[in-house]
Amino acid sequence: DAKTTQPPSMDCAEGRAANLPCNHSTISGNEYVYWYRQIHSQGPQYIIHGLKNNETNEMASLIITEDRKSSTLILPHATLRDTAVYYCIVRVAISGNTPLVFGKGTRLSVIA
Amino acid sequence: SAVISQKPSRDICQRGTSLTIQCQVDSQVTMMFWYRQQPGQSLTLIATANQGSEATYESGFVIDKFPISRPNLTFSTLTVSNMSPEDSSIYLCSVRRPMNTEAFFGQGTRLTVV
Repeated sequence: DAKTTQPPSMDCAEGRAANLPCNHSTISGNEYVYWYRQIHSQGPQYIIHGLKNNETNEMASLIITEDRKSSTLILPHATLRDTAVYYCIVRVAISGNTPLVFGKGTRLSVIA
Repeated sequence: SAVISQKPSRDICQRGTSLTIQCQVDSQVTMMFWYRQQPGQSLTLIATANQGSEATYESGFVIDKFPISRPNLTFSTLTVSNMSPEDSSIYLCSVRRPMNTEAFFGQGTRLTVV
């Protein structure tokens, strides 16, 4: 799996958009970008994933650069409940026989 | 989605004792994964448990310290043996369904060794 680099921490004002960057310059053509988050004292939760097109769901948007070497997770209207550690993971989207490998992630603090 | 029930949610244990953590999934899965999360750190994979065979351990983790059972396709246990304060961590189980790219996690077991 390709290595990812994320800032260790970020702050965001409540109600504003939170933009979390991730660098994955060694990503391969068949590797997807996944985002998970871990709210304090809970197990990680899937947010979104994408290959090369931008993706949006009810939780967030994922913007992947044209060269696929970086991406940004966007929480459009951050709330206090979005305070968590956000993990960007790059991997091949194969069936369920392989585990996720976590980096250090970005600790997002949403401030009232 | 997958529902994962993990027990106990937390425990405080004496050093030298062992604790067995249970993970029950609401549907059959081929692989179950066990992670450790030390205080303030990210998740580290301990081992992969496949039904009907011995678990596969990651570098730095051994079967004598972290024995794993996988008696069927919906259940697994992780035992933390001969505990020391350094074993104080959150332990999580995880599954991925066939043909599903998401991973699902239990709520974790917060272990404190005193």
